[in-house]
Amino acid sequence: GAGVSQSPSNKVTEKGKDVELRCDPISGHTALYWYRQSLGQGLEFLIYFQGNSAPDKSGLPSDRFSAERTGGSVSTLTIQRTQQEDSAVYLCASSLTGDSGNTIYFGEGSWLTVV
Amino acid sequence: AQRVTQPEKLLSVFKGAPVELKCNYSYSGSPELFWYVQYSRQRLQLLLRHISRESIKGFTADLNKGETSFHLKKPFAQEEDSAMYYCALSANTDKLIFGTGTRLQVFP
Repeated sequence: GAGVSQSPSNKVTEKGKDVELRCDPISGHTALYWYRQSLGQGLEFLIYFQGNSAPDKSGLPSDRFSAERTGGSVSTLTIQRTQQEDSAVYLCASSLTGDSGNTIYFGEGSWLTVV
Repeated sequence: AQRVTQPEKLLSVFKGAPVELKCNYSYSGSPELFWYVQYSRQRLQLLLRHISRESIKGFTADLNKGETSFHLKKPFAQEEDSAMYYCALSANTDKLIFGTGTRLQVFP
């Protein structure tokens, strides 16, 4: 079927507002990842979901960031009280399992601009 | 801590010239290393992984544990190779640690 789908593709928000970014992984993929791509910062790991296991939240930069994955499929990344430094491309990815031998497939990203 | 270093932000070469994109990692165990590529207006995608020992689009990468490096090489660059290249490490965990990326520009 289709690849990893993310929405919105672009979001401009005012500083202090909350935003939600959505990710639809490839059907059947149990592992889901969120990364942040900033200019000069490369790809920064945020959070990882694998099946029913507790998510690895070790990359979330602050408690303003949270993510959930409902029903083992769709995931939502929420940023509360956005700051200008949150401006970046937020990439979602999925793989068949969490095994590092599986290829990780990326979405096209959600470009967030905080003004 | 696991870390991936790509020292070059930008690498510019002429078509037909050899290319080497550098990647160094820090990890005390046995890592799995990958190269991902992002062409203009396309999504990030896997280029190659060290365990496959394959050549993709003429690119190869050899894991050198002594030097903790996984440099990406191509003997003759093509214009269509222009893209952003990311080296990534998986260290017995389920997530990839990426470097900051190198932009390759191949001039005609």
